[in-house]
Amino acid sequence: DAGITQSPRHKVTETGTPVTLRCHQTENHRYMYWYRQDPGHGLRLIHYSYGVKDTDKGEVSDGYSVSRSKTEDFLLTLESATSSQTSVYFCAISWALGETQYFGPGTRLLVL
Amino acid sequence: TQLLEQSPQFLSIQEGENLTVYCNSSSVFSSLQWYRQEPGEGPVLLVTVVTGGEVKKLKRLTFQFGDARKDSSLHITAAQPGDTGLYLCAGFKTSYDKVIFGPGTSLSVIP
Repeated sequence: DAGITQSPRHKVTETGTPVTLRCHQTENHRYMYWYRQDPGHGLRLIHYSYGVKDTDKGEVSDGYSVSRSKTEDFLLTLESATSSQTSVYFCAISWALGETQYFGPGTRLLVL
Repeated sequence: TQLLEQSPQFLSIQEGENLTVYCNSSSVFSSLQWYRQEPGEGPVLLVTVVTGGEVKKLKRLTFQFGDARKDSSLHITAAQPGDTGLYLCAGFKTSYDKVIFGPGTSLSVIP
């Protein structure tokens, strides 16, 4: 299995507070992705990265920002959390677009 | 509107039964993938199909890609409790695109 970890695994926060989720990989994959998973919607792409400091938006990027200062780390930040951002967040990695993605274990976020 | 639709949304069956789940689209895909996700974990790739009409088997699981490359099916023979999970189909419109996920079929196999 690909070495992907996410931290924290669980978080409860209040509306209006900033939240940062971390994804760390040991596989040296070029591409990294952040998804959110909600019932009935499957996995929806938030942002992705195709290299250090190279990022692009996905289909549900509003309210989220990302940063990648090292190959192995991809951070997802909720600048001011809202209840609609309560979800399970998954990080994934791949060698290239169109290649198989490997997923982390997920972070369960509850915004009260 | 989902680009990939999956049916049924939920399925609960007894151990030993057979089942088929479907992934459908009005668009053509260069390839389709099936993932299984167990509770509390991330999705894990089961198979990739790339040729229209292609059939792949993985033990008791049979995957088929439609001739027109717009749909796919997953058939499980003699389901076991270990097959319980969320089955996600995912597609690439081209090999240079980001993957698109369907909403999933939640399968529960009762002992």
